Amino acid sequence: KQEVTQIPAALSVPEGENLVLNCSFTDSAIYNLQWFRQDPGKGLTSLLLIQSSQREQTSGRLNASLDKSSGRSTLYIAASQPGDSATYLCAAMNAGNNRKLIWGLGTSLAVNP
Amino acid sequence: DAMVIQNPRYQVTQFGKPVTLSCSQTLNHNVMYWYQQKSSQAPKLLFHYYDKDFNNEADTPDNFQSRRPNTSFCFLDIRSPGLGDAAMYLCATGRRPSTDTQYFGPGTRLTVL
Repeated sequence: KQEVTQIPAALSVPEGENLVLNCSFTDSAIYNLQWFRQDPGKGLTSLLLIQSSQREQTSGRLNASLDKSSGRSTLYIAASQPGDSATYLCAAMNAGNNRKLIWGLGTSLAVNP
Repeated sequence: DAMVIQNPRYQVTQFGKPVTLSCSQTLNHNVMYWYQQKSSQAPKLLFHYYDKDFNNEADTPDNFQSRRPNTSFCFLDIRSPGLGDAAMYLCATGRRPSTDTQYFGPGTRLTVL
C-alpha cells in the first residue's frame, strides 16, 4: 500500500533563502508525482507534475526532482518570497489499473519578510 | 478565464438536514472529482465522473451521492450530514482520469451544527 510522507511538517525561513521540501513514497511503481500549493482555507493549485520517466520539472523559481529508486521527490524553491507562504502537498499517482493520487500531509511554509 | 467554480464557498447546515454542494467548470474536462479534506489532513477522494461514468471509492459512505447532469456541472449531495462530515469539499477536473494534472476549485467549507 502506497504511503506518502512529507518532512518537515512545518518550515519557517527568512525571505530570500533557497529551500527544499521533501516528499517520500514507499512504492516506487508510480505513474507520476505531483506537487500542489494550498493557501489557508482555499483549494489546491497544481505546481509541477513529474512523469515516472522524468527526473525533474521546472517552473519559474520552482524545481521538482524525482528519484523513483529511492522513493523521493524534492521541491526546490529559489529566492523565497513572503508570497510563497502556503502549504505544499505532494501526491503520488500509482501505476496500474486503479490509479489515484496518494497524498502526503503537506509542509506548511512561512517565509518571513 | 477558464476555471473551476464551487458554490457556495461556505455552507452551514443542521445535523441530518440534506445539503447539496455545486461545482461547475469552463475547462470542458471529461473528468470531475470530489474530495473531502478535514483540518490538517490530506484530501480524500470520494468519487469521480469520467464523462457519465460514475466511480465511487470503496470507503465513501453511502451518505454521499453525486450527480453530473452535463459536462459542466457536478453536484455533491450529503443526505444526512453528521458532525463528522464537517470539512472542506474540493472539486477538481481533469482531461483524462488518473493521468493528467487536476485543476481544483476554491472549495466549499461545510459546517454542521
